[in-house]
Amino acid sequence: GAGVSQSPSNKVTEKGKDVELRCDPISGHTALYWYRQSLGQGLEFLIYFQGNSAPDKSGLPSDRFSAERTGGSVSTLTIQRTQQEDSAVYLCASTPTGEPHEQYFGPGTRLTVT
Amino acid sequence: AQSVTQLGSHVSVSEGALVLLRCNYSSSVPPYLFWYVQYPNQGLQLLLKYTTGATLVKGINGFEAEFKKSETSFHLTKPSAHMSDAAEYFCAVTRPTGRRALTFGSGTRLQVQP
Repeated sequence: GAGVSQSPSNKVTEKGKDVELRCDPISGHTALYWYRQSLGQGLEFLIYFQGNSAPDKSGLPSDRFSAERTGGSVSTLTIQRTQQEDSAVYLCASTPTGEPHEQYFGPGTRLTVT
Repeated sequence: AQSVTQLGSHVSVSEGALVLLRCNYSSSVPPYLFWYVQYPNQGLQLLLKYTTGATLVKGINGFEAEFKKSETSFHLTKPSAHMSDAAEYFCAVTRPTGRRALTFGSGTRLQVQP
């Protein structure tokens, strides 16, 4: 079946602009995670959605970062007033109900802030 | 708090040789442990996981890992390396309950020489 998809695959933006990154999880998966992969910081957790519960935003690095998940499916990560240090690969993962520890990752969105 | 240390950012082996990638963890609760592989420009793929039960776990592509609580280790091995194993490997830890976001090690890049 279809895996986790993310769009765009690559995004180049100017410093100070806002960007939106999209994640389509595997159908029926209840939990969704966003991670960031950067050269300096490695792989870091950003935010976690579980069903209808309030999201766990404890990994967001600043208030310029926000995310939403509509209808328990698609998620959008928004970065406002982008900075060069936001350049990274942003990965999305989803988990099935029966295997809450098994995260399936999308291919990522490579964000470059110039 | 949880953390993961991967010894050796780069490992090089000859085709057909033993692969050993080291992972040590720190966790205040019984850990769930994972190994993921990342091929260039792709997302993360789950190789294997330890949650409970048998401490020697087998994964895809001939890889296996052993959970050793006394050594706080979860090293990844494969008896005979193949050229297609060249990739980056990440060890990760999470907790059994509550927020299940993964905490990753810094990764080990495996090179396989012909």
